[in-house]
Amino acid sequence: AQSVTQLGSHVSVSEGALVLLRCNYSSSVPPYLFWYVQYPNQGLQLLLKYTSAATLVKGINGFEAEFKKSETSFHLTKPSAHMSDAAEYFCAVRLFSGGYNKLIFGAGTRLAVHP
Amino acid sequence: DAGITQSPRHKVTETGTPVTLRCHQTENHRYMYWYRQDPGHGLRLIHYSYGVKDTDKGEVSDGYSVSRSKTEDFLLTLESATSSQTSVYFCAISAEQDIRTDTQYFGPGTRLTVL
Repeated sequence: AQSVTQLGSHVSVSEGALVLLRCNYSSSVPPYLFWYVQYPNQGLQLLLKYTSAATLVKGINGFEAEFKKSETSFHLTKPSAHMSDAAEYFCAVRLFSGGYNKLIFGAGTRLAVHP
Repeated sequence: DAGITQSPRHKVTETGTPVTLRCHQTENHRYMYWYRQDPGHGLRLIHYSYGVKDTDKGEVSDGYSVSRSKTEDFLLTLESATSSQTSVYFCAISAEQDIRTDTQYFGPGTRLTVL
């Protein structure tokens, strides 16, 4: 069965520092993976997704993620944090069951950015 | 932004009362989903719909029912609300099942408190 684990429920970085949010997956089939961001009091917005076309995926707002099969990881990075990046980030894996595709989400990582 | 609205946005109710949450979309997407978001659990799928009158259970469906009589509306009903159903509820929509184009778009959420 597919699942994802996000390491660290809270991450704090300084403005301008590297952002690294960790996600490891478990899947019996080649996975399709997603990162979503949730700003306060809003719904989720897709940052990027891995569909096996390329292992390094670039998303919106300067984020990118690298799929590493050997490490079963799909970590999210951004070279330089901005105050506006403060939000909660969710990793998700696509699950095919009951004839349809669904998303299985991790528990989320809350990113704080301080001056 | 995808045209998804949820109503009400906030609701406080008492244990044992019925509650209906509405999700309305203007995108004519075929697939609709209801999730609940709880700290430490990320988002968990309650029910989903793959067409008018076609629905199925997700991973946390106990105590919930859904209906979809029109493409644009997906209703989530708590027949007899319990305190464990206090949560933030999100609706999502998607047009396709093809991974290259399949993206779930989320509504703004409904915060439900059951006293």
